[in-house]
Amino acid sequence: NAGVTQTPKFQVLKTGQSMTLQCAQDMNHEYMSWYRQDPGMGLRLIHYSVGAGITDQGEVPNGYNVSRSTTEDFPLRLLSAAPSQTSVYFCASAFTGNTGELFFGEGSRLTVL
Amino acid sequence: KQEVTQIPAALSVPEGENLVLNCSFTDSAIYNLQWFRQDPGKGLTSLLLIQSSQREQTSGRLNASLDKSSGRSTLYIAASQPGDSATYLCALPPQETSGSRLTFGEGTQLTVNP
Repeated sequence: NAGVTQTPKFQVLKTGQSMTLQCAQDMNHEYMSWYRQDPGMGLRLIHYSVGAGITDQGEVPNGYNVSRSTTEDFPLRLLSAAPSQTSVYFCASAFTGNTGELFFGEGSRLTVL
Repeated sequence: KQEVTQIPAALSVPEGENLVLNCSFTDSAIYNLQWFRQDPGKGLTSLLLIQSSQREQTSGRLNASLDKSSGRSTLYIAASQPGDSATYLCALPPQETSGSRLTFGEGTQLTVNP
């Protein structure tokens, strides 16, 4: 059981480049979400999904796109990277229903020059 | 908007000491509260989940309590060990709802010295 898998673990981009952070879970979780973690700001929710085909914005969605075509995958797209998007990104998932227990991936460290 | 505060931001204790980490939240209409552990360069690991109808949860040397009326939760670690060194975060949904839209505190960085 791999849990929540994120790729890549590290990435360096130049301003204006685009990229996709991949997230996959093998626990059949309906809920999936993306957070960014910055010093002094804590963890902030970017986007989340309550099931395949359904996504919604979190606290800091600007500059990021998501889609949820399958239950297993929830990629995060940066269309035109900016230095302000330098951060550590975490994908997390949870079961359908009311348990709310969240399972995290190990993170993707992104640097935008 | 729910706001979550964790005090202290950092804590250093000798091995074997019992300790308490604090979490405060502004909106008492919560569904549940979770405590997480984060090791340097790693993701978060869920430690304990307390439903709003519960007052505490225990797992091994860890005990988490919840007082909704005062907007507080505490994480008690008994007989601390160097392996407990990590950042501990609390998190909760914004209102009486379920799901993964958690709001996090900034965490308490714990160092347990041998």
